[in-house]
Amino acid sequence: KAGVTQTPRYLIKTRGQQVTLSCSPISGHRSVSWYQQTPGQGLQFLFEYFSETQRNKGNFPGRFSGRQFSNSRSEMNVSTLELGDSALYLCASSFAAGGYTDTQYFGPGTRLTVL
Amino acid sequence: GNSVTQMEGPVTLSEEAFLTINCTYTATGYPSLFWYVQYPGEGLQLLLKATKADDKGSNKGFEATYRKETTSFHLEKGSVQVSDSAVYFCALSDSGGSNYKLTFGKGTLLTVNP
Repeated sequence: KAGVTQTPRYLIKTRGQQVTLSCSPISGHRSVSWYQQTPGQGLQFLFEYFSETQRNKGNFPGRFSGRQFSNSRSEMNVSTLELGDSALYLCASSFAAGGYTDTQYFGPGTRLTVL
Repeated sequence: GNSVTQMEGPVTLSEEAFLTINCTYTATGYPSLFWYVQYPGEGLQLLLKATKADDKGSNKGFEATYRKETTSFHLEKGSVQVSDSAVYFCALSDSGGSNYKLTFGKGTLLTVNP
């Protein structure tokens, strides 16, 4: 079974631009979560989607948004990029049948650099 | 709120040495506990998990036991290999409230020398 895939793997943008990242979950998985990883803050939860509905959101500004499509694929968007948005963005999927006991499976991440 | 505290790294060991990485947690409900590993340039891979008190997770020679009385989930391996060099993250998913997210520790960098 194919794992979680993320595209693109690397992005370079300039301040003020916007960016869209894509995530395809493992086949059959209906929950998709996004995390931001930086050296200073570590791994921080952005949001989680299930059946096209956002069920949980982390403590990030409104510039960060996401959505999920009917095939469970998800996108996240960051508008008006700031230097501090430079990070590795990780997507994770789970079957989401058991909630907190479910294992989340991570993709390889998208490395975003903001210049 | 929920939190996970891991021992500060980096940890440097010789091959075949014993490994312990300490992890303690604070949770509002009844959490599931996880150890993930991240190799350079890659995403996170699940190493092991435990979903209730006294459960032991194990994989690839690594073990961790869910200790509710000490709110701990320490990672151990009896004999490390050079290929175990990576960053290890302890994480929890809580049963109460926001149970669709993982809360991570800061990570511990392990380097194993031949």
